Formats: sequence, structure tokens, C-alpha cells
Amino acid sequence: QEQLVESGGGVVQPGRSLRLSCAASGFMFSRYGMHWVRRAPGKGLEWVAVIWYDGSEEYYADSVEGRFTISRDNSKNTVYLQMNSLRVEDTAVYYCLRRFDFWGQGTLVTVS
Amino acid sequence: DIQMTQSPSSLSASVGDRVTITCRASQGIGNDLGWFQEKPGKAPKRLIYGASSLQSGVPSRFSGSGSGTEFTLTISSLQPEDFATYYCLQHKSFPLTFGGGTKVEIK
Repeated sequence: QEQLVESGGGVVQPGRSLRLSCAASGFMFSRYGMHWVRRAPGKGLEWVAVIWYDGSEEYYADSVEGRFTISRDNSKNTVYLQMNSLRVEDTAVYYCLRRFDFWGQGTLVTVS
Repeated sequence: DIQMTQSPSSLSASVGDRVTITCRASQGIGNDLGWFQEKPGKAPKRLIYGASSLQSGVPSRFSGSGSGTEFTLTISSLQPEDFATYYCLQHKSFPLTFGGGTKVEIK
């Protein structure tokens, strides 16, 4: 059964860092590009970042460019989101997803 | 960046109604568009990909159309479980961008 399980969310002060993890199982992780999408309270969905299946390319939303870094470890079937210089407006539920056809349940990040 | 303008931002409808939601892209995106449904406390799920292809397992009352800059999601006969928020997403170029969302509420 396909699964994406995010972890690493929590409460953090502005300016600090946090690393999210997303563990995949039930499918050939190394064949898929992986995305992060977030949903801030009272706002709509926002695409955050993508990493190619082999880690060769990454792209970011303008709002996180230079502060967030997406990475992956195909030997561990895990994708990461390193979030630095966090801002109050980064408060959101963060979802990892496989090519938009399969989503994790999300992890809440609160910057306060 | 490609901007996605979604309308309306909210609507009230009754069970059995036909509902139409529109997304307009600021530049041509071919058919590189998906539609997503979000319910409170749950992860979003994709309904439509490639502008008009129905995701496996999604009821046939959902349909998508359009190409280039104008896209439509239609629910042919609204069901109680369809009350949710709907988003379009363009994946023609990075950064990917969602529409602002349409909240479908019970009249």
C-alpha cells in the first residue's frame, strides 16, 4: 500500500530552522519527482518546491527561494524540506506528494 | 510567473445542481492543468489531470475542459460529499501556481 508520512513539524520561533521529512513506502520512490505543497490557515494551497526523481534538479516558489532547500535520499525512500530563516507567514500544514497523484496527510509548522 | 485566476471564489448550490468553476491562466499553458478537491482536515486529492482526464476512482459527475488559458471544472449533479474547496493548478512552468480556490457551500 502506498504511503507518504510526513514528520518534523512543530512550533518554532521566527528566524529559526526546521527540517521536515517525508518517508515513502509501497511504490518505487526513486522513479518519481516529489513535491512539497503548503496550506496556511485561512489561505489557499501554495506549491513550495519540487525535486527530480534523481535529485538532479530542484525548483522553488518565489516565497521560499533562498530559504528552503528540498533534498532526497533514495536509499532511505525519504524526501526532506530544510526550512531556514522561518517567518510567521510560513505557518502552514506542509504536504509532501508524489507528482500530485498521491499526497501525505501533512505536518503542521507553526512559526510564532 | 504564470498567474491562475479562479472564479468564483465561493458559491452556494443545492444537491443536484450543476456547478461550473473557471480558471484563467495569465499565459497559455496547453493542457498542463489539474483540478483538486480539499475537505477540512484532509489532504487534497486530484480530480482531473491534463485538463480533462478523470483521475482513477473519481466519480464521472466531475469533468474538466479547456486548453490554453481558459479551463472549466464541472460537477454535473452536486452530491452532499462534494461540498468542499476546489483548486486548479498549472504545471506548465515553474514556479507551479494554484488558483485561489472556490468554496462550494450548501444553499
